[in-house]
Amino acid sequence: QQPVQSPQAVILREGEDAVINCSSSKALYSVHWYRQKHGEAPVFLMILLKGGEQKGHEKISASFNEKKQQSSLYLTASQLSYSGTYFCGTVGSSNTGKLIFGQGTTLQVKP
Amino acid sequence: KAGVTQTPRYLIKTRGQQVTLSCSPISGHRSVSWYQQTPGQGLQFLFEYFSETQRNKGNFPGRFSGRQFSNSRSEMNVSTLELGDSALYLCASSFERQGVNEQYFGPGTRLTVT
Repeated sequence: QQPVQSPQAVILREGEDAVINCSSSKALYSVHWYRQKHGEAPVFLMILLKGGEQKGHEKISASFNEKKQQSSLYLTASQLSYSGTYFCGTVGSSNTGKLIFGQGTTLQVKP
Repeated sequence: KAGVTQTPRYLIKTRGQQVTLSCSPISGHRSVSWYQQTPGQGLQFLFEYFSETQRNKGNFPGRFSGRQFSNSRSEMNVSTLELGDSALYLCASSFERQGVNEQYFGPGTRLTVT
């Protein structure tokens, strides 16, 4: 039931792009993305609803393919401040509101 | 608006004891969810409360319990602590917008069981 994120870790240079994927074996109602920096609480980035929409937040955007039950987070022209662990959380198609998180993807941006 | 607050921030307990953690949600948020975060297991859902009722529950033993008060503040209790309960406990408050709950996390309570 826990969504699977890939890759587990990625190292980038400033200005490079990255994609983080989130896959579920179950039909989804929504996908939620968070970023957590070391020693801090997860910070909400965005929510995507079923319907295949794409959303953007500064240089971070995401897509949701409802048929494939997959979501991808795109980080373009990465900045040092993007470093952290990214989590996707999924809500099942019955929309009980129960949010189940993936294991996280650690992103490190180097100068 | 003030963010989600959790108290205490740090706690050290011994095996067999019990502990109560508190969470005050963002003003106007009626839902509070609790998560356990450990390096090995990641963010694990404990339970969610909405209007003083448990709405969702994760796969944790009955030693983990919670409640929500009329002002939406929530507490979680862990009885008969085990070493494996050492973790960061996060609560998140949320409001529903267009059928979706946006969750905002508090800073967490770091529990160490010795």
